[in-house]
Amino acid sequence: SQTIHQWPATLVQPVGSPLSLECTVEGTSNPNLYWYRQAAGRGLQLLFYSVGIGQISSEVPQNLSASRPQDRQFILSSKKLLLSDSGFYLCAWSVRRLPQTTNEKLFFGSGTQLSVL
Amino acid sequence: GNSVTQMEGPVTLSEEAFLTINCTYTATGYPSLFWYVQYPGEGLQLLLKATKADDKGSNKGFEATYRKETTSFHLEKGSVQVSDSAVYFCALSRNNYGQNFVFGPGTRLSVLP
Repeated sequence: SQTIHQWPATLVQPVGSPLSLECTVEGTSNPNLYWYRQAAGRGLQLLFYSVGIGQISSEVPQNLSASRPQDRQFILSSKKLLLSDSGFYLCAWSVRRLPQTTNEKLFFGSGTQLSVL
Repeated sequence: GNSVTQMEGPVTLSEEAFLTINCTYTATGYPSLFWYVQYPGEGLQLLLKATKADDKGSNKGFEATYRKETTSFHLEKGSVQVSDSAVYFCALSRNNYGQNFVFGPGTRLSVLP
């Protein structure tokens, strides 16, 4: 069966420090991968998605970046964190579909609670 | 563009009360519709889905019917339990490649014993 691992579960970082959150998926190949952020009391905001190794699409301009060095690995990074980067970060995957076909569902990791102080 | 609107929370109910969380959407074409649930400190889990008009998704006593004429997908449960306390997200999936899920802002439900 497929599983998704996301770590760390919680992270407290000072402003201006770097960030690296990692997400890996097991049990599937060629998944679509996603990073979402959930700010306190707010809904989900899609940050990045990837349809393949090295292919990253950014939905929201910001000081965050994403990379996909391997098929089932997705990394969220920042060189210098801002206070506004605090939030709950969720990695997710879905089965890769052909264009013009509907995605069945997203599978989410357990999330990382990031506090920037 | 595509969007999902949910009723504002938080919603507070007593145990065994009837639950309705409204969700309406705007989308081109015929999206699939989903309800996801997020329990405290966890990621999101798929609760139920419907892929075409008039389909009813159901799971764990929750139901939602895909209403194309009203572009709605309201979540209902006849008798809520304390363990149903969570944040509920309505979402749609567009017929596109890659990024194709659009989520509503979420509705926090608190069920009191």
